Amino acid sequence: EAGVVQSPRYKIIEKKQPVAFWCNPISGHNTLYWYLQNLGQGPELLIRYENEEAVDDSQLPKDRFSAERLKGVDSTLKIQPAELGDSAVYLCASSTRTGVNTGELFFGEGSRLTVL
Amino acid sequence: QKEVEQNSGPLSVPEGAIASLNCTYSDRGSQSFFWYRQYSGKSPELIMSIYSNGDKEDGRFTAQLNKASQYVSLLIRDSQPSDSATYLCAVNPGSARQLTFGSGTQLTVLP
Repeated sequence: EAGVVQSPRYKIIEKKQPVAFWCNPISGHNTLYWYLQNLGQGPELLIRYENEEAVDDSQLPKDRFSAERLKGVDSTLKIQPAELGDSAVYLCASSTRTGVNTGELFFGEGSRLTVL
Repeated sequence: QKEVEQNSGPLSVPEGAIASLNCTYSDRGSQSFFWYRQYSGKSPELIMSIYSNGDKEDGRFTAQLNKASQYVSLLIRDSQPSDSATYLCAVNPGSARQLTFGSGTQLTVLP
């Protein structure tokens, strides 16, 4: 079974530039998460999707971040414009519907963003 | 007060020893508890889950939960250098709220 696939793995951009990250979850996993992880910290939730519906986006900085999950499968997270403080690893995770209640998440390898 | 607290470490143990990792949480109504392992430069991987008070064993790993004390721990027996990683405690507070991660404890097992 293929795992969660993310791209790009690494991205270096200058501040004020836009950037986008893509995630393809495990087949059949209805729930998709985008997390942000800073060095030495645990993952922090940005947004959670149930199928194509964003059910928890309270931690997403909506002035510069946006996300979509068209057709309830793969998802894109965008930052425009990027700021120096956005440098971090952006993790995508997926789970089955029961996983929502159990916390059994499957993570992709992450996209490491460096903003210069 | 952070919702999920862990000692950041680093924690060093010799090979073959028992490593003990601890986690406390603030929401008394929390329903389920998880330990994720994260190797340097890699993504978190679920290694243990526990839902009721007491111990749960899986191979060399034992998770312990005490809801009255709001405390969950992970014991690694016969620690190996390959166990060297950051261990993240995660708590599901229930009521459809988000899973919350601690900041992790970095474990080093010395050969």
